[in-house]
Amino acid sequence: GDSVTQMEGPVTLSEEAFLTINCTYTATGYPSLFWYVQYPGEGLQLLLKATKADDKGSNKGFEATYRKETTSFHLEKGSVQVSDSAVYFCALSDSWGKLQFGAGTQVVVTP
Amino acid sequence: GAGVSQSPSNKVTEKGKDVELRCDPISGHTALYWYRQSLGQGLEFLIYFQGNSAPDKSGLPSDRFSAERTGGSVSTLTIQRTQQEDSAVYLCASSTRDRAQTQYFGPGTRLLVL
Repeated sequence: GDSVTQMEGPVTLSEEAFLTINCTYTATGYPSLFWYVQYPGEGLQLLLKATKADDKGSNKGFEATYRKETTSFHLEKGSVQVSDSAVYFCALSDSWGKLQFGAGTQVVVTP
Repeated sequence: GAGVSQSPSNKVTEKGKDVELRCDPISGHTALYWYRQSLGQGLEFLIYFQGNSAPDKSGLPSDRFSAERTGGSVSTLTIQRTQQEDSAVYLCASSTRDRAQTQYFGPGTRLLVL
């Protein structure tokens, strides 16, 4: 079945550092890919998405490119802030929209 | 506009009791999903409703779990004879029909089974 694998956390880095969270997937067909974020004490919210190969999703300085050849959707941000501290979930959706999530990666940004 | 709401926000129950969790989706969203977030299992899909179609129950972990959606809007997830392993945060999400549309999540119901 479909699955998503993302790097384990926690990832701890200093403010203004470069962030990469790796995400790879296995799926039949052509899923849509998502990054969701969960800030401390808050609910899940969509960060960005891509619906087909080579699409790039971007939001709040974060980017991820749908790479079909490597079945990857790595999340990057060039300069993180303390406010980016959160848990990040990579996910794919099947043809019915059901989301299959990765395990989540906790990111801690220190001043 | 109003987002997805869930109630109660927290529920503590004794093992063996039944619980009902409620979800109010965003008005006009035809798709409704239930997920469970637990320490051991991460985020898992439970059940999916789309309009008047039969729900996709493929993620329900046992026959103690059931859900219904009345009038294409409010949904209730029922867990019968709760067990300690049912302790988790139960999340509801809604979206429009297209699979690429964003799912909007509610704040969740935190269930603790003693």
